[in-house]
Amino acid sequence: EPEVTQTPSHQVTQMGQEVILRCVPISNHLYFYWYRQILGQKVEFLVSFYNNEISEKSEIFDDQFSVERPDGSNFTLKIRSTKLEDSAMYFCASSDRARMGYTFGSGTRLTVV
Amino acid sequence: AQSVTQLDSHVSVSEGTPVLLRCNYSSSYSPSLFWYVQHPNKGLQLLLKYTSAATLVKGINGFEAEFKKSETSFHLTKPSAHMSDAAEYFCVVSVWTGANNLFFGTGTRLTVIP
Repeated sequence: EPEVTQTPSHQVTQMGQEVILRCVPISNHLYFYWYRQILGQKVEFLVSFYNNEISEKSEIFDDQFSVERPDGSNFTLKIRSTKLEDSAMYFCASSDRARMGYTFGSGTRLTVV
Repeated sequence: AQSVTQLDSHVSVSEGTPVLLRCNYSSSYSPSLFWYVQHPNKGLQLLLKYTSAATLVKGINGFEAEFKKSETSFHLTKPSAHMSDAAEYFCVVSVWTGANNLFFGTGTRLTVIP
């Protein structure tokens, strides 16, 4: 069964450093998403991406965040200057044209120290 | 506005007994509803989805859920719990308003006692 692949599985970074979280969505999917889950809290929507541009973003997705699809297969989330409160599990997801087949990756646990 | 309420943060059942995980939703539009399961250190796996077809939806691993519009509920059930069912379960709502996002409940942790 097709999978969404996320790397790394765990990233530790110092406050103020830039991090890039990587995702390889399912190849024939058209919609791409990032969600995050702070420990003990809800899974929260960050951003959706379609046709090489952001289609929707939440209040969490401020100027410190950016997304990119650099080469037609990878989908990345960049945090420019990490804060302690950015520590969370970050999930990438992709969906097909009908937006009924959301597939999530296994997540990247980001720890900011 | 859309929201999801999972009524129990933790459910504990004995192996072989029925499972009931409760979910109520609020939506201004006709929703699509999903249940996802998250095993420790794993990603979110889709159990089942409701997309305005049959109100009783069957999913993987013997789980099913019934969409009840009058009660705005989408409870997840399984006749007989297995040890491997122990995990976190998320009820999720999605609406076709042009926004490509899902709204998650806070999750229910299911413990299965041998």
